[in-house]
Amino acid sequence: TQLLEQSPQFLSIQEGENLTVYCNSSSVFSSLQWYRQEPGEGPVLLVTVVTGGEVKKLKRLTFQFGDARKDSSLHITAAQPGDTGLYLCAGLHSTGANSKLTFGKGITLSVRP
Amino acid sequence: DVKVTQSSRYLVKRTGEKVFLECVQDMDHENMFWYRQDPGLGLRLIYFSYDVKMKEKGDIPEGYSVSREKKERFSLILESASTNQTSMYLCASSLYPLAGGTLGTQYFGPGTRLTVL
Repeated sequence: TQLLEQSPQFLSIQEGENLTVYCNSSSVFSSLQWYRQEPGEGPVLLVTVVTGGEVKKLKRLTFQFGDARKDSSLHITAAQPGDTGLYLCAGLHSTGANSKLTFGKGITLSVRP
Repeated sequence: DVKVTQSSRYLVKRTGEKVFLECVQDMDHENMFWYRQDPGLGLRLIYFSYDVKMKEKGDIPEGYSVSREKKERFSLILESASTNQTSMYLCASSLYPLAGGTLGTQYFGPGTRLTVL
């Protein structure tokens, strides 16, 4: 079973603060995605990382895929209230024709004005 | 603008009823997915489909069935609804299948919050 553990589960911070959240597993993933889900909506893709050690930036969000492709982090600089939402990571474990996509349980982020 | 729509945002049904959840995508994607989302459990894959009339079981298919008669439409069926099927149901579509190791963007609908009384 390929489990993805996300931490922390809940995070409440003040506008302007920086934060880092994590997505960890004991399994190797061929690729990993981060989604953000706002209340009453479906998740929306933020990024896909494929290569171990890869770093991708999306405005104030920085995503990193671990060297061993077992973990990932999301760093937000100067958080804004618009960053509030549920952050989900999803990892693809692929062995040729058989692939399994696993979602983490999510991190609920609240950014106070 | 890509779009995945689900037939209802909120649905209330009684135990034992047959329930149909409909999902339509306008992106000509071959791959469609049904998930349920529960607090503390995250998203869990129920069924997915790679093509018309094709379906594959996900992690929690028990109590559910699916239908894919047309490329753009993927239906989730609860043959006899039970209270433990109260949940948020999310449909998604993707250009890429899971097999082959390419993780493409999954486009999600807004979800249907189903309550079974």
